[in-house]
Amino acid sequence: QQPVQSPQAVILREGEDAVINCSSSKALYSVHWYRQKHGEAPVFLMILLKGGEQKGHDKISASFNEKKQQSSLYLTASQLSYSGTYFCGTASNAGNMLTFGGGTRLMVKP
Amino acid sequence: DSGVTQTPKHLITATGQRVTLRCSPRSGDLSVYWYQQSLDQGLQFLIQYYNGEERAKGNILERFSAQQFPDLHSELNLSSLELGDSALYFCASSVSSLSGGGTDTQYFGPGTRLTVL
Repeated sequence: QQPVQSPQAVILREGEDAVINCSSSKALYSVHWYRQKHGEAPVFLMILLKGGEQKGHDKISASFNEKKQQSSLYLTASQLSYSGTYFCGTASNAGNMLTFGGGTRLMVKP
Repeated sequence: DSGVTQTPKHLITATGQRVTLRCSPRSGDLSVYWYQQSLDQGLQFLIQYYNGEERAKGNILERFSAQQFPDLHSELNLSSLELGDSALYFCASSVSSLSGGGTDTQYFGPGTRLTVL
């Protein structure tokens, strides 16, 4: 069963912050975050493994709450280049395939 | 540029036809994954190969098949095409052999856009 992402879409002004959530009905082993621009390949952002660690680089970070079976992606001080569709992919154990959520469309306006 | 290459970039064909999509993984990567992305939809995992062997299967139709060759490039064959097969087909690669790629960073190629008329 695919993870559920929320919100489905969000519009921001440059410099604003956003949070994208990814929830699963299954116990999670890993969560993978990707950003995809229209018609292009998904670009890897980060992987989080169970253990509740938080990761980040630059102004994009993510958390993984194993107990709640969810992950959140935090985008701070958004830039125009952050626009695109964000997908989370989840695996319930190390040997499982990734199941991707339906995506969250993010648009950053000047 | 992820280092994963896919050809062709675009493919237009008719219902009932057969096509082959090609993927070359990043240098050093042994696993290749195929995904289908229909219009405005998420990514659906089709199949994974590791070093020439099938490792994991997703919701791949019987009309679809794949293989990975000794030089590690992979081909996805789609036959008896239907209108609903129109989609973006992505190939991704990773280093590891773990089936399904639950812990691996997967790097995606630019995709092949298939249009079935």
